[in-house]
Amino acid sequence: AQSVTQPDIHITVSEGASLELRCNYSYGATPYLFWYVQSPGQGLQLLLKYFSGDTLVQGIKGFEAEFKRSQSSFNLRKPSVHWSDAAEYFCAVGAQAGTALIFGKGTTLSVSS
Amino acid sequence: KAGVTQTPRYLIKTRGQQVTLSCSPISGHRSVSWYQQTPGQGLQFLFEYFSETQRNKGNFPGRFSGRQFSNSRSEMNVSTLELGDSALYLCASSTGQTTNYGYTFGSGTRLTVV
Repeated sequence: AQSVTQPDIHITVSEGASLELRCNYSYGATPYLFWYVQSPGQGLQLLLKYFSGDTLVQGIKGFEAEFKRSQSSFNLRKPSVHWSDAAEYFCAVGAQAGTALIFGKGTTLSVSS
Repeated sequence: KAGVTQTPRYLIKTRGQQVTLSCSPISGHRSVSWYQQTPGQGLQFLFEYFSETQRNKGNFPGRFSGRQFSNSRSEMNVSTLELGDSALYLCASSTGQTTNYGYTFGSGTRLTVV
């Protein structure tokens, strides 16, 4: 069965600094990978997804993620963080079509001025 | 295009009662999935309905049940509520090819059991 680990529970980044959120997955075949963001009291919004092709994926709000098969990782990056990026970020993995997405425990991002 | 609508947004119930939550997916989406979100356990998959049939089920007790109607709207029911059922319940809809397109989530129903 697939699983997802987000090693960092909480990260604080200065506004304007770069950001990298880590995600490691466990799955035997090529997984379907997603990053979602959740603002307080809200549902989750899809930032980007990967299932084949170019290993560097561009998403909304200036985010990108890189799939590295050799490291079983799908880290999320942003070159310059804005205060509005403060939220909780979830990495998710899916197996073959028709199965549920499994989510990591999330990383809370705080942005300091 | 309207998003995923969950009602009600907030609920307070007493232990032992039952509760029904509702979810209206995006028009044209035939799959509805339900997740329970708590600070300790994170997002845990409850079940998925596709074309009125339960397609996947998570590891929750039988007190948690759901159904889907012919218009793709879905309800989940929790019977004999326990304090530990307090959580944010999220509904997510997709075309049915979840692994290709991911989910679109609703804003959730915050259930508090007292």
